[in-house]
Amino acid sequence: ELKVEQNPLFLSMQEGKNYTIYCNYSTTSDRLYWYRQDPGKSLESLFVLLSNGAVKQEGRLMASLDTKARLSTLHITAAVHDLSATYFCAVANYGGSQGNLIFGKGTKLSVKP
Amino acid sequence: DVKVTQSSRYLVKRTGEKVFLECVQDMDHENMFWYRQDPGLGLRLIYFSYDVKMKEKGDIPEGYSVSREKKERFSLILESASTNQTSMYLCASSLPGQGFYGQYFGPGTRLTVT
Repeated sequence: ELKVEQNPLFLSMQEGKNYTIYCNYSTTSDRLYWYRQDPGKSLESLFVLLSNGAVKQEGRLMASLDTKARLSTLHITAAVHDLSATYFCAVANYGGSQGNLIFGKGTKLSVKP
Repeated sequence: DVKVTQSSRYLVKRTGEKVFLECVQDMDHENMFWYRQDPGLGLRLIYFSYDVKMKEKGDIPEGYSVSREKKERFSLILESASTNQTSMYLCASSLPGQGFYGQYFGPGTRLTVT
């Protein structure tokens, strides 16, 4: 059974600082997704990582994937208040006829001035 | 622009009522999903469908059923609502095998059962 663990679950950062969110998963998968959720809103896709060593960057966020270690990271550079949100990683699970995504519990990020 | 819509943003129902949550997508996606989201528990998959009239149970199907009569529409049914079904319900859709971009989510329905 595929399990996805994120840590930390809560992260309070000061503006301007760097930090990394980790996403570990338990069985082989070749696709990993990062989503962002603002309070009271739905999930918005941030990154799709499709192969070992994949790295994607958008603004102050950079995501990477190591399929051998079954680990993805979401690195935040010089955080700003606008990045405050909950971030979810999700791993493609190919059990069953079409598969689905298994989500981590989310990391609630709060960036303070 | 990709769009998944849900019939209500907020819904209040009484215990024992039959509740219908509707989801419509305009992307011609084969796969559709229903999740519930609760604090501290993340997203949990209730049911998904990979074709018209096809459905598969997710992790927490008890107390729910689904219907997919048309490709663009996926309904979640609470046969007899209970207070422990108070939650945020999210619908999503995707191409087969999750597609390149993964799942697209609707805005969510916050359901309160009193």
